[in-house]
Amino acid sequence: GIQVEQSPPDLILQEGANSTLRCNFSDSVNNLQWFHQNPWGQLINLFYIPSGTKQNGRLSATTVATERYSLLYISSSQTTDSGVYFCALRDAGNMLTFGGGTRLMVKP
Amino acid sequence: GAGVSQSPSNKVTEKGKDVELRCDPISGHTALYWYRQSLGQGLEFLIYFQGNSAPDKSGLPSDRFSAERTGGSVSTLTIQRTQQEDSAVYLCASSLLGGSSRTGNTIYFGEGSWLTVV
Repeated sequence: GIQVEQSPPDLILQEGANSTLRCNFSDSVNNLQWFHQNPWGQLINLFYIPSGTKQNGRLSATTVATERYSLLYISSSQTTDSGVYFCALRDAGNMLTFGGGTRLMVKP
Repeated sequence: GAGVSQSPSNKVTEKGKDVELRCDPISGHTALYWYRQSLGQGLEFLIYFQGNSAPDKSGLPSDRFSAERTGGSVSTLTIQRTQQEDSAVYLCASSLLGGSSRTGNTIYFGEGSWLTVV
């Protein structure tokens, strides 16, 4: 199956700082999603981004499928951005494979 | 409904008892997934339903776990003779399409069912 690796595994930011989270994957795919898991455990869909760039407020994401990576940018971070960020991909058999996540803590 | 709905949101059960967890996917979504997540860990795939096809049960950790999906909509995950290691949050997700597609393939998660086995 697809291998998905995320980096860094842990990240601590001061409020207002910017950050880049990375997701590398082993096979060519045409679908990728970024999720934010909040401290209450809920998984919130951030982006469905098989390729190209999308922006939503302070968040943006870029996927370069041919080079097998995706980046999630967080600008002007806020304490409410804390939680775990997962990328996930679906293979040809529709199995959804998650990366190990990046645990983000934003300090006030 | 507007989103994926799961119930119960919290369940405390005694070791050895059976539990049922319910997932009501977004209306019209043909694909349905169950995952579980132990405290501080990543997401572990359990089972996948797509339309009328046979489910992919490759992630079920033991024969104490089973799931069904009635009428292509609501799904029930059953854990028999629960053990303490079954304690986790059980997450259900659905999507409109099961296959790879450039559009409309977003997966949406419910809020999860927190299971504690004592």
